[in-house]
Amino acid sequence: GQNIDQPTEMTATEGAIVQINCTYQTSGFNGLFWYQQHAGEAPTFLSYNVLDGLEEKGRFSSFLSRSKGYSYLLLKELQMKDSASYLCANRGAGNMLTFGGGTRLMVKP
Amino acid sequence: DSGVTQTPKHLITATGQRVTLRCSPRSGDLSVYWYQQSLDQGLQFLIQYYNGEERAKGNILERFSAQQFPDLHSELNLSSLELGDSALYFCASSGQVEGDYGYTFGSGTRLTVV
Repeated sequence: GQNIDQPTEMTATEGAIVQINCTYQTSGFNGLFWYQQHAGEAPTFLSYNVLDGLEEKGRFSSFLSRSKGYSYLLLKELQMKDSASYLCANRGAGNMLTFGGGTRLMVKP
Repeated sequence: DSGVTQTPKHLITATGQRVTLRCSPRSGDLSVYWYQQSLDQGLQFLIQYYNGEERAKGNILERFSAQQFPDLHSELNLSSLELGDSALYFCASSGQVEGDYGYTFGSGTRLTVV
């Protein structure tokens, strides 16, 4: 299976750094995605990791450890508009993505 | 505009009724995926089609069915609707181009069953 676990909610302060963790079952792993979803809107692609290590893209970075079945999304210099749900998704065979329940991030002034 | 088009954006209907949700994938994408997202819940995979054929099935109720047509657009049919079917229904598509691995989501159809 590809059960995805991530925290349900997190709160952080504007301008700060927050790390959202995700663990998954390693069998059949073929890539790890992070999506951002504002309330009532479609998920939008943030990052993709298939090899171990850190991928940096502006204020957002994503890390993967395949041996540990672990990923995190790092958001720097938080802005109010970053308040959203962040979805971790594990890609298996046939480009199938299995999504976690999402982490609702609230950024406070 | 993501390139994935879903219609209608909003739908309000009564219990026991039947509705059809429509999705046009991004140009060139052969795979279409349907997801259900209830209030404050995660994305629940329903079904996948690839080039007109059913490829994978998730937790899709027997009251629900889908198909993908030769022009690659897809329809999700929901029948004998219940209050608990109220949710956002997302369609996503993916391509087979090297390096293009992710999904592109449509803006969703918000279904309200009253």
